[in-house]
Amino acid sequence: AQKITQTQPGMFVQEKEAVTLDCTYDTSDPSYGLFWYKQPSSGEMIFLIYQGSYDQQNATEGRYSLNFQKARKSANLVISASQLGDSAMYFCAMRARGGSQGNLIFGKGTKLSVKP
Amino acid sequence: DAGVIQSPRHEVTEMGQEVTLRCKPISGHDYLFWYRQTMMRGLELLIYFNNNVPIDDSGMPEDRFSAKMPNASFSTLKIQPSEPRDSAVYFCASSSPSHYNEQFFGPGTRLTVL
Repeated sequence: AQKITQTQPGMFVQEKEAVTLDCTYDTSDPSYGLFWYKQPSSGEMIFLIYQGSYDQQNATEGRYSLNFQKARKSANLVISASQLGDSAMYFCAMRARGGSQGNLIFGKGTKLSVKP
Repeated sequence: DAGVIQSPRHEVTEMGQEVTLRCKPISGHDYLFWYRQTMMRGLELLIYFNNNVPIDDSGMPEDRFSAKMPNASFSTLKIQPSEPRDSAVYFCASSSPSHYNEQFFGPGTRLTVL
């Protein structure tokens, strides 16, 4: 069975500090993709970063990086230099059956609060 | 460029009524997804289409739910009859081969069934 687990319901971080949001996954497919989405209080889902299971390097997008540890089946999101605007829900997601669009399986999310 | 457009943004209806949610994907995108978000179940895929053809509808909760995509620029999700447990935010998302790793989400429709 495919599953995404986010064990941190809520996190606090001081502005300008880095924060790591945890995500572990379970799949038997050798090819898969891992995603992080941000959902601010306004409700829209915003794509942040993607990591493919065969990618040799960890993905980075600006202040976002994905700490991909394949053997541990973890795909943690690291946000550097937190900003007040980073306060939001963050969802980790997985697409198995790589090669096709397939559907995304989402975790329950982590609510990040950035303190000034 | 316009993103994914959903209408209505908010819908309040009474139990037993028919509800139709609408989605216009990004032009040129050939995949369209319908998701539902609730506090209890989180985000879950209901159905997705490729080139207007339903590919996987295993997430559709029951026969009261139906989805269509009559053309590349329009899709509907219909609930008939609606029940209070259908109250949720319904998201439409689209993607294309050129943005293979990103699904672009619409703003969502917040449905409340009384």
